[in-house]
Amino acid sequence: NAGVTQTPKFQVLKTGQSMTLQCAQDMNHNSMYWYRQDPGMGLRLIYYSASEGTTDKGEVPNGYNVSRLNKREFSLRLESAAPSQTSVYFCASSGTINTEAFFGQGTRLTVV
Amino acid sequence: RKEVEQDPGPFNVPEGATVAFNCTYSNSASQSFFWYRQDCRKEPKLLMSVYSSGNEDGRFTAQLNRASQYISLLIRDSKLSDSATYLCVVNNLQAGTALIFGKGTTLSVSS
Repeated sequence: NAGVTQTPKFQVLKTGQSMTLQCAQDMNHNSMYWYRQDPGMGLRLIYYSASEGTTDKGEVPNGYNVSRLNKREFSLRLESAAPSQTSVYFCASSGTINTEAFFGQGTRLTVV
Repeated sequence: RKEVEQDPGPFNVPEGATVAFNCTYSNSASQSFFWYRQDCRKEPKLLMSVYSSGNEDGRFTAQLNRASQYISLLIRDSKLSDSATYLCVVNNLQAGTALIFGKGTTLSVSS
């Protein structure tokens, strides 16, 4: 049982480049999330999707866009990467918006 | 005031010790509460949910105090393998947000 799968696991971008982080879950969960984690800052919510067809901003949405492609997949796009977006990105899913979430293994992104 | 606050630690304890972490949250309408564990450079993993009546899972006990807006985690008979960062998580759907994480409390158990 794969759970939550993120790709890629590692990525190095140049400033100004764009990329999409992919996330898929096989647990038939309704809600999905994108977080970033930086030293000393903890996990901060970027965007979330309470259910298929809906997306909402979290605490730090600037510089990002998301797409809930279907119930399984929730992607995060950086249109023009900046060094401040160097971070570890985690995707997560939960049965509903109020229940416990399960995380992917993370994507370590470096923007130079 | 931050939505979810934790003492960052680190807590350094010997094997066999009992250790307690507290977490406070700012929104009285919060509905769901969890403790997660995160090992270095790994993804957070659910340790336990926190229920109003309190709940126990082996050596771990979680409690919720809605009146004072805090949750706690007690670890008894600490093991070396308990060394990790423990994250307090709160959800408040009515505020239009999702799971909010505290910054975590670091525990180091030594032999």
